[in-house]
Amino acid sequence: AQSVAQPEDQVNVAEGNPLTVKCTYSVSGNPYLFWYVQYPNRGLQFLLKYITGDNLVKGSYGFEAEFNKSQTSFHLKKPSALVSDSALYFCAVSYSGGYQKVTFGTGTKLQVIP
Amino acid sequence: DVKVTQSSRYLVKRTGEKVFLECVQDMDHENMFWYRQDPGLGLRLIYFSYDVKMKEKGDIPEGYSVSREKKERFSLILESASTNQTSMYLCASSPTVNYGYTFGSGTRLTVV
Repeated sequence: AQSVAQPEDQVNVAEGNPLTVKCTYSVSGNPYLFWYVQYPNRGLQFLLKYITGDNLVKGSYGFEAEFNKSQTSFHLKKPSALVSDSALYFCAVSYSGGYQKVTFGTGTKLQVIP
Repeated sequence: DVKVTQSSRYLVKRTGEKVFLECVQDMDHENMFWYRQDPGLGLRLIYFSYDVKMKEKGDIPEGYSVSREKKERFSLILESASTNQTSMYLCASSPTVNYGYTFGSGTRLTVV
């Protein structure tokens, strides 16, 4: 079984400030973790993934995420938020041996305030 | 770039109609998926396919069926549309589970 939780429905941050979008997961094997972004009326776009190796993963548009095995977390971060980062963000999890199924969180709306 | 194309951006259908949602990918991916997206519920997996003519039920398959006659095309079928199937439908493809998905732009279906 696998699950993922995004505890915040919305995150507000001032432009230029660092941002964090939280994600925790539960899987029965080694996790594969993903972040996607969705702009209004569009499909999801891949941002970054953790499969194995370095716990800090860098992705598109200056985003990064830190894998923390002991806390079963994979929080998305950016050092300096832009207004154009305002969107809906989804965390997703699968695992080695989990066939091809990926489970998504409920999404977190990021609002960057000018 | 991998492209996943969903045939319609917006659809309005009547209750009881049979509805076909089409999805085509152009990168020879083995795996294709149909999700529905609803506010507060995130993305929920309806069906997926790991090969031609193969299909697996996801978390919410009731009221839906799928068809994959060719590798590049994965169709979602609503046998008899109901108002509770009003939703955003997202198709995705992937070569392997650890690669990540490429999504289509979505089809917003309204059943009246």
